[in-house]
Amino acid sequence: KAGVTQTPRYLIKTRGQQVTLSCSPISGHRSVSWYQQTPGQGLQFLFEYFSETQRNKGNFPGRFSGRQFSNSRSEMNVSTLELGDSALYLCASSLWDRDTEAFFGQGTRLTVV
Amino acid sequence: TQLLEQSPQFLSIQEGENLTVYCNSSSVFSSLQWYRQEPGEGPVLLVTVVTGGEVKKLKRLTFQFGDARKDSSLHITAAQPGDTGLYLCAGSILTGGGNKLTFGTGTQLKVEL
Repeated sequence: KAGVTQTPRYLIKTRGQQVTLSCSPISGHRSVSWYQQTPGQGLQFLFEYFSETQRNKGNFPGRFSGRQFSNSRSEMNVSTLELGDSALYLCASSLWDRDTEAFFGQGTRLTVV
Repeated sequence: TQLLEQSPQFLSIQEGENLTVYCNSSSVFSSLQWYRQEPGEGPVLLVTVVTGGEVKKLKRLTFQFGDARKDSSLHITAAQPGDTGLYLCAGSILTGGGNKLTFGTGTQLKVEL
């Protein structure tokens, strides 16, 4: 059974640009959550999607957005990139929206220069 | 506001030693998970504890959930170099809209020969 797949693994962008990250959950999982991990702030919750609907949102500016497709795949978008957006972005999938066990992908390492 | 505090933040020990990592909060969680993360990878789920006072064992790892479901501990017996990694606790709060994981500050463990 394939795990959570995130693409790309590494990304370098320039300040002001936008970026889209992709996440394919474990087959059969319908809930996808996104997290940002930085050395200073640790792992912080961005948002959660279930059945193409955003169910929870963390305390991030509106530049961070996401969506989920009918096949449960999810994308997150960051517009007008800032240096502080450099981080490891992690996607986690769960069977359903009230499932407490999350399985993480390897992450996308985003560097903003 | 960091809801989950882990201690110690860093731990460097010799192979064969025992250690305990603590995860404390003022909030009550419906469940608590422990993850281990290696550099450049996503966190890997080790265990989920749900009931106050619950104790779970995974080989040399023993996990305990506090009676009030506000804190947890991870005890490793006879640590090995393969145990090296970042240990994260994560508390789950089930909201009306779904599940939201709040991660602890992390404990970086290094086990040396």
